[in-house]
Amino acid sequence: AQKITQTQPGMFVQEKEAVTLDCTYDTSDPSYGLFWYKQPSSGEMIFLIYQGSYDQQNATEGRYSLNFQKARKSANLVISASQLGDSAMYFCAMREAPFYAGGTSYGKLTFGQGTILTVHP
Amino acid sequence: DSGVTQTPKHLITATGQRVTLRCSPRSGDLSVYWYQQSLDQGLQFLIQYYNGEERAKGNILERFSAQQFPDLHSELNLSSLELGDSALYFCASSVEYGRAGDTQYFGPGTRLTVL
Repeated sequence: AQKITQTQPGMFVQEKEAVTLDCTYDTSDPSYGLFWYKQPSSGEMIFLIYQGSYDQQNATEGRYSLNFQKARKSANLVISASQLGDSAMYFCAMREAPFYAGGTSYGKLTFGQGTILTVHP
Repeated sequence: DSGVTQTPKHLITATGQRVTLRCSPRSGDLSVYWYQQSLDQGLQFLIQYYNGEERAKGNILERFSAQQFPDLHSELNLSSLELGDSALYFCASSVEYGRAGDTQYFGPGTRLTVL
């Protein structure tokens, strides 16, 4: 089963408008972290925002905010006041911390398939 | 600039060859991760090192190996290269491992093309 699902292959938004990129996740671990990364056409992966499973408030970083709905297992990225430079691929990722299971997957990030965001002038 | 450096930026080689990708983590980061990004597989975790020791392994092929040196830089060795190994290889680093919130910062990647 997919651990991270991004159902929107592509999204379009008008400059200065807000846009929401969807992400749902699947885990049975009580402790996990959710991340969003941006990948422009140049290829680098840029960290945007982090949400911890125990965090009481939704994370915000400048124009980025994370709409975290734990019961629904969703962690949607909201970009406010879109700019042309926001056009890129966006990845949702999860890091599990299975201390209880004693597993060996502590480190890895599991990524979704990504959403290509295009901002129109 | 994330502070993670990777060399080379581009690599073109032939099938059957062996290449080495190099990564220097951010100052102070002890964990190094390697990921492969391809069109068909997406972003896949390969392997993680923490302070010189292997900590976690993903779907890394036996033809691939990695190590982290005492100065914390890491190398990913790919041997007996096949066309399907063509991909963007990322190195990422973080302060530690085991915490869910430990943010990984990515290098610019090495684009490998196998002809």
